[in-house]
Amino acid sequence: AQSVSQHNHHVILSEAASLELGCNYSYGGTVNLFWYVQYPGQHLQLLLKYFSGDPLVKGIKGFEAEFIKSKFSFNLRKPSVQWSDTAEYFCAVNTYNTDKLIFGTGTRLQVFP
Amino acid sequence: NAGVTQTPKFRILKIGQSMTLQCAQDMNHNYMYWYRQDPGMGLKLIYYSVGAGITDKGEVPNGYNVSRSTTEDFPLRLELAAPSQTSVYFCASSPTRVSDTQYFGPGTRLTVL
Repeated sequence: AQSVSQHNHHVILSEAASLELGCNYSYGGTVNLFWYVQYPGQHLQLLLKYFSGDPLVKGIKGFEAEFIKSKFSFNLRKPSVQWSDTAEYFCAVNTYNTDKLIFGTGTRLQVFP
Repeated sequence: NAGVTQTPKFRILKIGQSMTLQCAQDMNHNYMYWYRQDPGMGLKLIYYSVGAGITDKGEVPNGYNVSRSTTEDFPLRLELAAPSQTSVYFCASSPTRVSDTQYFGPGTRLTVL
């Protein structure tokens, strides 16, 4: 069965620090990849997604993610975090032949001023 | 557009009671989903629907039932509540396929005592 691993469960950073959140998936075929974010008290919303083409994807609020097929990874990055980035971040994968989105367990990011 | 709405926001049930979690969307999306979110476990798909009259099981369907009589509504039924069903439940929708951006509702926090 397909699975998604997010190894960083809880990350604490100071403002202006750089961020990288790991995401690995287990599926050898074609995948669509997503990062969703849940800000405190808000709905889950899409941060960015990758379907095909340039493996470096840019999303909202300065976030980007890089798809590395050989490593089955889709890590999320931001060069300089802000206090407002405090949220829970979920990686998700949809495999080509299914109607399901498989989510990782999430990474809780806390940014201190 | 209201987007995806869910009622109630909070509910406490006794073991063995039944209830229906309501979900509605006004975006004319074909696909709708129910997830549960447990601490440290990410989101797990309970049921999904690709259109009115069509539903299918997700990863964790046991103890739940769904129906989809209209495009707009996708209620989730708990017949005999158990403590293991204590969770936050999210409804989501996407336009035409699961690889589209999913739009999430605000969630229902359910406690079974």
